[in-house]
Amino acid sequence: SAVISQKPSRDICQRGTSLTIQCQVDSQVTMMFWYRQQPGQSLTLIATANQGSEATYESGFVIDKFPISRPNLTFSTLTVSNMSPEDSSIYLCSAFPGDTYGYTFGSGTRLTVV
Amino acid sequence: DAKTTQPPSMDCAEGRAANLPCNHSTISGNEYVYWYRQIHSQGPQYIIHGLKNNETNEMASLIITEDRKSSTLILPHATLRDTAVYYCIVRPGNTGNQFYFGTGTSLTVIP
Repeated sequence: SAVISQKPSRDICQRGTSLTIQCQVDSQVTMMFWYRQQPGQSLTLIATANQGSEATYESGFVIDKFPISRPNLTFSTLTVSNMSPEDSSIYLCSAFPGDTYGYTFGSGTRLTVV
Repeated sequence: DAKTTQPPSMDCAEGRAANLPCNHSTISGNEYVYWYRQIHSQGPQYIIHGLKNNETNEMASLIITEDRKSSTLILPHATLRDTAVYYCIVRPGNTGNQFYFGTGTSLTVIP
């Protein structure tokens, strides 16, 4: 199955700043996804990162707050903009490699906003 | 949106079988049942999936009822390393559609 490298693994950021999270897949994948996991909660889908077109956002998430890039079939970034303490979460990327093992996930970025 | 219901938590003695139930009463004919687990806030890990037949791999067995409205994940000999949150997800199989997580079951394996 595909392997995803996600970085940074953790960061502590000042409120009002932005952080860009990167995900690199070791093979070409059609679909990539970004999730947020707030403390003690399940994973919530933020958006689908489409190659060659704008990302598709889930209800409650907007492009101005979470801009996403997908320049090719192996890479995507998620930016958390104008951060507040409420953005403190784990952010995870995922890819669907098209095999029988379903979705592969990165190891996550633990973000703390102070 | 999540279409599954799982108990929030379960305990299992080390070495015994862990049986994790999942209800998916509104499952459609083309939807598979997937199981993932998440250990201590790492990225979720694929365990197993199935459509209507029971499935077994090196990690677990998946038992799906004949009406497909529920399923059970079986870890045959639970170890302390199996302590994790287990998620049951239903979705069309082998496509790149969105993947929605429910609340999952927090399994604690007790020595």
